[in-house]
Amino acid sequence: GENVEQHPSTLSVQEGDSAVIKCTYSDSASNYFPWYKQELGKGPQLIIDIRSNVGEKKDQRIAVTLNKTAKHFSLHITETQPEDSAVYFCAASKGYQKVTFGIGTKLQVIP
Amino acid sequence: DAGVIQSPRHEVTEMGQEVTLRCKPISGHNSLFWYRQTMMRGLELLIYFNNNVPIDDSGMPEDRFSAKMPNASFSTLKIQPSEPRDSAVYFCASSSGLKGETQYFGPGTRLLVL
Repeated sequence: GENVEQHPSTLSVQEGDSAVIKCTYSDSASNYFPWYKQELGKGPQLIIDIRSNVGEKKDQRIAVTLNKTAKHFSLHITETQPEDSAVYFCAASKGYQKVTFGIGTKLQVIP
Repeated sequence: DAGVIQSPRHEVTEMGQEVTLRCKPISGHNSLFWYRQTMMRGLELLIYFNNNVPIDDSGMPEDRFSAKMPNASFSTLKIQPSEPRDSAVYFCASSSGLKGETQYFGPGTRLLVL
């Protein structure tokens, strides 16, 4: 089955700096890569996703890149703010329904 | 929309007791997922349903775990008998295959088995 590795497991940045989280996947047939943000005491929420026919996608301060050849994808958060502090999960899927999650990255933005 | 609803939000029980977790998916969604989250193993998919039918239960740890979806608006995850190693946060999520793969998670049930 699919295996998704994510690093780093923890990340501390100063407010205003950028944060980068990296993931690799094992199944070359995977074609959908969502990113979820989980705040304390809540369920994960989708923040951005990318499909295998796209190399990069941006949404305001958040961007995701995908390298299909190397089978890795990354989340970039620019101009970080304290409210960005949370656990971020990458995931991979071959299509509808079954999604494999990474272990998560705890991001701390220091004011 | 109320989102995915889970109950109870917290459950404390003793080893050997039966535990039932409940989930109401978003109206109109045709897929439902049960996940378990622990520090050591992260988010693990236990089972998922499509149109009330179980599609993949390969993540269910053992026979002590069972899940049902009697109709489109309700699902249960049961653990019988419960063990301390079952302590975790259990999430239910739903999605609509017609609109993409985005899964919408509920707030979770925090289970502690003593």
